[in-house]
Amino acid sequence: GQQVMQIPQYQHVQEGEDFTTYCNSSTTLSNIQWYKQRPGGHPVFLIQLVKSGEVKKQKRLTFQFGEAKKNSSLHITATQTTDVGTYFCAGWIGNEKLTFGTGTRLTIIP
Amino acid sequence: DGGITQSPKYLFRKEGQNVTLSCEQNLNHDAMYWYRQDPGQGLRLIYYSQIVNDFQKGDIAEGYSVSREKKESFPLTVTSAQKNPTAFYLCASSIQGDYGYTFGSGTRLTVV
Repeated sequence: GQQVMQIPQYQHVQEGEDFTTYCNSSTTLSNIQWYKQRPGGHPVFLIQLVKSGEVKKQKRLTFQFGEAKKNSSLHITATQTTDVGTYFCAGWIGNEKLTFGTGTRLTIIP
Repeated sequence: DGGITQSPKYLFRKEGQNVTLSCEQNLNHDAMYWYRQDPGQGLRLIYYSQIVNDFQKGDIAEGYSVSREKKESFPLTVTSAQKNPTAFYLCASSIQGDYGYTFGSGTRLTVV
C-alpha cells in the first residue's frame, strides 16, 4: 500500500547540536505537513508545504519539500530541550485523507 | 476558545465490552478523523468523515464503528470484535480536506 516512511526512527543529540529527519513517500504527494508530538501529548500541526522545491522556516526549524514531491525534510538548528518529542510528516495521497509517516523520536542530552 | 475535546482522558474496560469514546469540536470544521496510536508507533487511521451523515473506513476499521449525526460530534465505538483495543485514540478535525489537522488530547483505553 501507499506508505510514508521516516528516518531515523530515533535520534539522540546533545543540546545545541543540529537535528534532521527525512520523510519519503512511495508516490507523489499533493502536499506535505509536519506535526510535533510532545511525550504524553497529542500531535500539533507545524506547517504545510505545497510547491515542488518549497522551503519554509520557523525560527530554528527549516522545512523542505522535494522537487519530485516525494520527499521532505525537517532540520532543527541548535536543538534545545524544548525540541524533545516525536516529529511526524504527513502527506496527502489523493484528496481525502492524510497518510502519516512513522515518526522520528528526538531526545536531547543536556 | 475553540478546540476539540475528547473524553474521557483515561478509560478502563473489561474484555468483551463495547466502549464509546467521545469527540466534540467547536471549530466549525467539516472533516473529522479517528486515529489509533500504539506505544512508539505512528498514527493509523480508523474512520473519517467529511460531512454530516457520511463517513468512510480508514486503514484499520475492523472492530470499530462511528456515527456523524452532528457536525460537532464524531463518537467512536470500540466493539468487542476489536482484538487488541488497548491503545491511545486520537480524534482530529480540519477546515477542509487539505489543511492542517487539529487534534484532541486523546483517550488512553486499557482493556483488561
